[in-house]
Amino acid sequence: RKEVEQDPGPFNVPEGATVAFNCTYSNSASQSFFWYRQDCRKEPKLLMSVYSSGNEDGRFTAQLNRASQYISLLIRDSKLSDSATYLCVVKTSGTYKYIFGTGTRLKVLA
Amino acid sequence: DTAVSQTPKYLVTQMGNDKSIKCEQNLGHDTMYWYKQDSKKFLKIMFSYNNKELIINETVPNRFSPKSPDKAHLNLHINSLELGDSAVYFCASSQMTASDEQFFGPGTRLTVL
Repeated sequence: RKEVEQDPGPFNVPEGATVAFNCTYSNSASQSFFWYRQDCRKEPKLLMSVYSSGNEDGRFTAQLNRASQYISLLIRDSKLSDSATYLCVVKTSGTYKYIFGTGTRLKVLA
Repeated sequence: DTAVSQTPKYLVTQMGNDKSIKCEQNLGHDTMYWYKQDSKKFLKIMFSYNNKELIINETVPNRFSPKSPDKAHLNLHINSLELGDSAVYFCASSQMTASDEQFFGPGTRLTVL
């Protein structure tokens, strides 16, 4: 089993739609969780960290479910500019190693 | 002001050559990383240095040798390049704090012919 798993997609959604991605992780000792966004031929950029109580940043909401070992990302009112690959990242506290999922590709269609 | 910078951005070379990629960060972070992203887009950790000390060394051929002259720089030297080394190599840095965020350089696209 991979340490971090994501549905690769692509998710094709119309503008204005709400879309959600899930990511599961295998190491129960994982303590830090992130969503990164990667545009084509660019570097990954931090979209948001994921906190235990869940957190929101504008149209983006991240949730953490420790019991089931998954994190989620919800994007409301999708924009064309949201088209990208979304990477789930997990890190164990006290270590330096970030484990990346393979990414979920999102295409927002006009 | 570029936080994490890499040179060169593109590198095209012949099999068997030796090449280096350089990385610098001005964020004051104490940990730097090299990642490889292959054609399937999977981002895989290769090495990490913390305060100039090697702390992560994944299963990477010993043709790859990282070097950290100081905590703001992490270079990657590759000997005897092979076709399978063609990929995008990303440098990243982080500071172990409550936020733990990792910042990436723009990447070096290596093509081995």
